[in-house]
Amino acid sequence: GAVVSQHPSRVICKSGTSVKIECRSLDFQATTMFWYRQFPKQSLMLMATSNEGSKATYEQGVEKDKFLINHASLTLSTLTVTSAHPEDSSFYICSARATDTQYFGPGTRLTVL
Amino acid sequence: DAKTTQPTSMDCAEGRAANLPCNHSTISGNEYVYWYRQIHSQGPQYIIHGLKNNETNEMASLIITEDRKSSTLILPHATLRDTAVYYCIVRVLNYGGSQGNLIFGKGTKLSVKP
Repeated sequence: GAVVSQHPSRVICKSGTSVKIECRSLDFQATTMFWYRQFPKQSLMLMATSNEGSKATYEQGVEKDKFLINHASLTLSTLTVTSAHPEDSSFYICSARATDTQYFGPGTRLTVL
Repeated sequence: DAKTTQPTSMDCAEGRAANLPCNHSTISGNEYVYWYRQIHSQGPQYIIHGLKNNETNEMASLIITEDRKSSTLILPHATLRDTAVYYCIVRVLNYGGSQGNLIFGKGTKLSVKP
């Protein structure tokens, strides 16, 4: 299947700082990418959908000013967690759509101290 | 998108076939059945998807009932590495048109035992 990468795989930051996570589709172009969040022992929750060249669509309850999404090219989307707090600590997973299937990245473990 | 119902957990002996059921009684005509799995602390892995015909690939087989209200994912020879949470998701797919989002439920935790 198609490959999606994420960077970094793990990040630890201090409360109040911002963290950027990159998501790349390595062998296909993705006009649509998705960001999910997963808390321990819970399922994945869709945070937002990003389309290349346009503003992201956020799910209900997700603060768009806190989770900034940029989908600048057909192979790259970024998620920036601004002014991170300990409750933002989670596993963040991106996904890219290819024709009829979505492929997922390996995830980024964010820990906010 | 229609909702799905899966058992919370299942066990399977190594080398045996693992049959994971999924109910999607409210599925509509343009909704496909997708299966993903998530091994601990990794991103979900795509397994297979189908509309109404049975599908098979190198990972698994997907059997969809004639009325499309339920399906079964079959791992023909389960190994310890198949231990994971398996998600059955129903999603709208119109080729060249609108597509629904992948909404994850709780899935089935499959434990393959030696």
